[in-house]
Amino acid sequence: QVQLQESGPGLVKPSETLSLTCTVSGDSITSYYWSWIRQPADKRLEWIGRIHSGGGAKYNPSLKSRVTMSVDTSKNQFSLKLTSVTAADTAVYYCSRVAYYYGSGSSDVWGQGTTVAVSS
Amino acid sequence: QSVLTQPPSVSGAPGQRVTISCTGSKSNMGAGYDVHWYQQLPGTAPKLLIYGNSNRPSGVPARFSGSKSGTSASLAITGLQAEDEADYYCQCYDSSLSGSWVFGGGTKLTVL
Repeated sequence: QVQLQESGPGLVKPSETLSLTCTVSGDSITSYYWSWIRQPADKRLEWIGRIHSGGGAKYNPSLKSRVTMSVDTSKNQFSLKLTSVTAADTAVYYCSRVAYYYGSGSSDVWGQGTTVAVSS
Repeated sequence: QSVLTQPPSVSGAPGQRVTISCTGSKSNMGAGYDVHWYQQLPGTAPKLLIYGNSNRPSGVPARFSGSKSGTSASLAITGLQAEDEADYYCQCYDSSLSGSWVFGGGTKLTVL
């Protein structure tokens, strides 16, 4: 049974870089696409982007200039970096596995989420 | 403001049937892209409830069903139970946003 676990600092200073890692257990990271989704206090879900170990990351246009995702197949992990953070980036960050059904993707397995606050 | 529009809240008594609507546009549902639904219980991560408009992942009760027509989709819950009280979100692919996923703003279901 595949499980995902987010890790990273819970507090980041404004203008600095938010870095999170998602560790995948129970499945090979090379078999799927993986995504990051965040949820601020207003509870709306926002898709940050998705990546595959073979490359070809796709990002939300509203965040594209600040986001980088990568995959480390040796550790079965994928990561998120978000630069120049502000208070608006304060949210619960979820990593998830992407499942495709006739070309349409959804997140079928989620991590428990990690809270990141941006504050000085 | 979310790309997909959901009612902020719905409610129903135990045993009743409720529906949650999700309205999109020509660049997402109207373009033929599938809708997916998630259930988020308090304090937990979202869980995939319906994929591909009307398919239930293994373990999801048959009380939950989904449908889509044109630029709208619906999630129906029959035989409402107390444990169904949660937030529900719809999600779709949007071709006008460089192929981004978009979500509805979420609907809080209250079981009276």
